[in-house]
Amino acid sequence: DARVTQTPRDKVTEMGQEVTMRCQPILGHNTVFWYRQTMMQGLELLAYFRNRAPLDDSGMPKDRFSAEMPDATLATLKIQPSEPRDSAVYFCASGLVGGTEAFFGQGTRLTVV
Amino acid sequence: SQQGEEDPQALSIQEGENATMNCSYKTSINNLQWYRQNSGRGLVHLILIRSNEREKHSGRLRVTLDTSKKSSSLLITASRAADTASYFCATVSSGTYKYIFGTGTRLKVLA
Repeated sequence: DARVTQTPRDKVTEMGQEVTMRCQPILGHNTVFWYRQTMMQGLELLAYFRNRAPLDDSGMPKDRFSAEMPDATLATLKIQPSEPRDSAVYFCASGLVGGTEAFFGQGTRLTVV
Repeated sequence: SQQGEEDPQALSIQEGENATMNCSYKTSINNLQWYRQNSGRGLVHLILIRSNEREKHSGRLRVTLDTSKKSSSLLITASRAADTASYFCATVSSGTYKYIFGTGTRLKVLA
């Protein structure tokens, strides 16, 4: 049963700490997305990769956020330093180029205190 | 913001009634998709309609697309308590295939 796996599921950290979220896309998928979901802003696209190359990260605060795909089986989203306003659920999704179905992970619930 | 708008924001209906949700968007699209999200969980794909299609059916779901008005609607017929969830439209842009999600409709179906 192929699925997108995100770790950790929950993370509580203190302001100023580095946070790393990981995502294992479905094998064979060549497109990976990172989204942030909050009550106020809904689902915001943070970054978008195709064949491991970043295509669009315009939705991401560049000063503290970074997204990478070290290899085809791992995508990472880092926040350094974290702030309370970063508290949200972060979703990773993967799919195939051509814009068909996107498969979502279960999300990482981040709380920055 | 490129984000689409959905209305209503929240909808409460009785089991057996139909539920209609609307989505408006701003950009040129390759296709439009609808997703469902149960509380606290990841989104699950429901149905996809391409820009050259006007209507699509899947089980109790009916989706329409009007590209001239940049709008879509999702109809769930004969709703069930298990349909209680949030529903999101996602536009997939032409060329870049970027997925932009709407603001969502929270549906509550009362048994």
